[in-house]
Amino acid sequence: QIMLTQQAESLWISPGERVSITCRASQSLLYTDGKHYLSWYQQRPGQTTKALIYHASVRTDGVPTRFIGSGSGTEFTLSIEHVQPEDFAIYYCLQTLKSPYTFGAGTKLELK
Amino acid sequence: EVQLVESGGGLVQPGRSLKLSCAASGFTFSNYYMAWVRQAPKKGLEWVATISTSGSRTYYPDSVKGRFTISRDNAKSSLYLQMNSLKSEDTATYYCARTCSHWYFDFWGPGTMVTVSS
Repeated sequence: QIMLTQQAESLWISPGERVSITCRASQSLLYTDGKHYLSWYQQRPGQTTKALIYHASVRTDGVPTRFIGSGSGTEFTLSIEHVQPEDFAIYYCLQTLKSPYTFGAGTKLELK
Repeated sequence: EVQLVESGGGLVQPGRSLKLSCAASGFTFSNYYMAWVRQAPKKGLEWVATISTSGSRTYYPDSVKGRFTISRDNAKSSLYLQMNSLKSEDTATYYCARTCSHWYFDFWGPGTMVTVSS
């Protein structure tokens, strides 16, 4: 199965800073259609899990432009510019290229 | 507005069965693949099952294959997860998620908690 590694379990940042969360796949997530089957999700207490990015770099409807997905092949990054108080949450990457679909272990953004 | 609401969770003994339900609204249920994802307490997310629009195709990871069965009733806009031979490691919050055409989980429910314990 494809393994996804999110190296950082936690990242401590201050509001207004920029942060990058990385996700490394054990094999390329590029499909023959030219798209990467890598998506990013946000979990906040008391709220439903929210999809932020799909195909590695496409923001879902309504997601603020400060959330930026990038990367290709096996290396992917979710960047958040000018972090807002509501962005302190846990972020997961997910690959849906091949079954079994697998998530990264998650990265928690914590207030410095 | 898309809504997914899970139900059926609870406390169950090891080896017993439980069936979860997910009521969908706000979209044409029969047009979407659907999935179950779980999260053990203080742990990460784990994909559990996916079902095609008609229900004719189902997919599972090895951890639940042969024990869990995903199904759907398009007339009732409902998704189900039949869980048999439950183990303590199946203890988790179970989420219902819609799979959109770009093949990611675009909407999630709030989850239902399943505790497997004697």
